[in-house]
Amino acid sequence: AQSVSQHNHHVILSEAASLELGCNYSYGGTVNLFWYVQYPGQHLQLLLKYFSGDPLVKGIKGFEAEFIKSKFSFNLRKPSVQWSDTAEYFCAVSDTGGFKTIFGAGTRLFVKA
Amino acid sequence: EAGVAQSPRYKIIEKRQSVAFWCNPISGHATLYWYQQILGQGPKLLIQFQNNGVVDDSQLPKDRFSAERLKGVDSTLKIQPAKLEDSAVYLCASSLGGLAGGGTDTQYFGPGTRLTVL
Repeated sequence: AQSVSQHNHHVILSEAASLELGCNYSYGGTVNLFWYVQYPGQHLQLLLKYFSGDPLVKGIKGFEAEFIKSKFSFNLRKPSVQWSDTAEYFCAVSDTGGFKTIFGAGTRLFVKA
Repeated sequence: EAGVAQSPRYKIIEKRQSVAFWCNPISGHATLYWYQQILGQGPKLLIQFQNNGVVDDSQLPKDRFSAERLKGVDSTLKIQPAKLEDSAVYLCASSLGGLAGGGTDTQYFGPGTRLTVL
């Protein structure tokens, strides 16, 4: 069955610490990959996406993610987090037609000032 | 640019009652999605429209849930009758769409409707 797994449900970091959030997927065929973020009190919004080309993609606010096809992974990274990065982060996968979007369960990140 | 609008924002009903949610996507967006997000879980796709046609409703519990997008613009999602396990946030999203390049489209989400079934 198709699925998206996010390894950590809760992460607590101090400001300036490095961040890596894991995402693995089980999905037949070629996929498009997304990270969405929901800041407190705000709507879900796109952080970055990958559909082809360079497997290292850069998004807003200094975030990046690397697609490793052999590992079915799309981990999110940021070298130095800020208090304002406190949010819930969701990894999502869809087929190349834009159908069958599946979200992971999300990772709640709390950054201590 | 106006975002995705949803109403109501909150709804409390008793089990076996019916409820309807409304969504108005971003102007010009052809694709509209309804998701159910249960507390502690990620959004689960219920139904996806391309203009006024359904392209995926494989996870919609059709015995109690229905959705329509009659004119290819706004949409309603209905639950009849509601069960306790339907308590969740119902999210509407839209994207520019177009089947040729739809896979890479960004989905823009509304604020959601929080449903509590007692």
